[in-house]
Amino acid sequence: QSALTQPASVSGSPGQSIAISCTGTSSDVGAYNFVSWYQQYPGKAPKFIIFDVNKRPSGVPNRFSGSKSGNTASLTISGLQAEDEADYYCCSYTTSSTLVFGGGTKLTVL
Amino acid sequence: VQLVESGGGLVQPGGSLRLSCAASGFTFSAYYMSWVRQAPGKGLEWVANIKQDGSDKYYVDYLKGRFTVSRDNAKNSLYLQMNSLRAEDTAVYYCARDRVGATGDPWGQGTLVIVSS
Repeated sequence: QSALTQPASVSGSPGQSIAISCTGTSSDVGAYNFVSWYQQYPGKAPKFIIFDVNKRPSGVPNRFSGSKSGNTASLTISGLQAEDEADYYCCSYTTSSTLVFGGGTKLTVL
Repeated sequence: VQLVESGGGLVQPGGSLRLSCAASGFTFSAYYMSWVRQAPGKGLEWVANIKQDGSDKYYVDYLKGRFTVSRDNAKNSLYLQMNSLRAEDTAVYYCARDRVGATGDPWGQGTLVIVSS
């Protein structure tokens, strides 16, 4: 059960779009459409922002979107805002009926 | 919906600790529930989850045998029994409600476990 692979950091300017990748295997990301994403501010609990690859819980701005191709999922944030600066984690359901997280990506808004 | 963890603290290596999570605001018995941990300065790590009636439990491979997840639906409570604790188990432990194929909808505030002599 190796962690999913995410870039350690990404950055973008206000108003721009950024994408964070999340690479797994055919036993997790590639197996099902069960990829979720979380936003976490320092010292706070994570927040659920995407589920089932591309669905948003109520209250999450539509600037946040998800996609998947093969064993790689992506989170895209469009119209970047200062408040988006946080850590982002992906998570996938696996063929062993467990869950596995990515290592996390620190988003810096320049 | 509210999840409130308790039971964290300082424990010596080799010791045991039982974490609790009190759930409210939803029908606890209708949901899978998970434990997720986060070591200081590190990423999220899924630990275990448990089926609605407690009949199925799943664990990350390397914690099987040391950690045990359980629940009491009559008390709307989730538990994590942690034995043979090691320094590397030091982390904030979060309780989270699952949905199909995911967790964290929502999360508790976490409880800090420190394993140190």
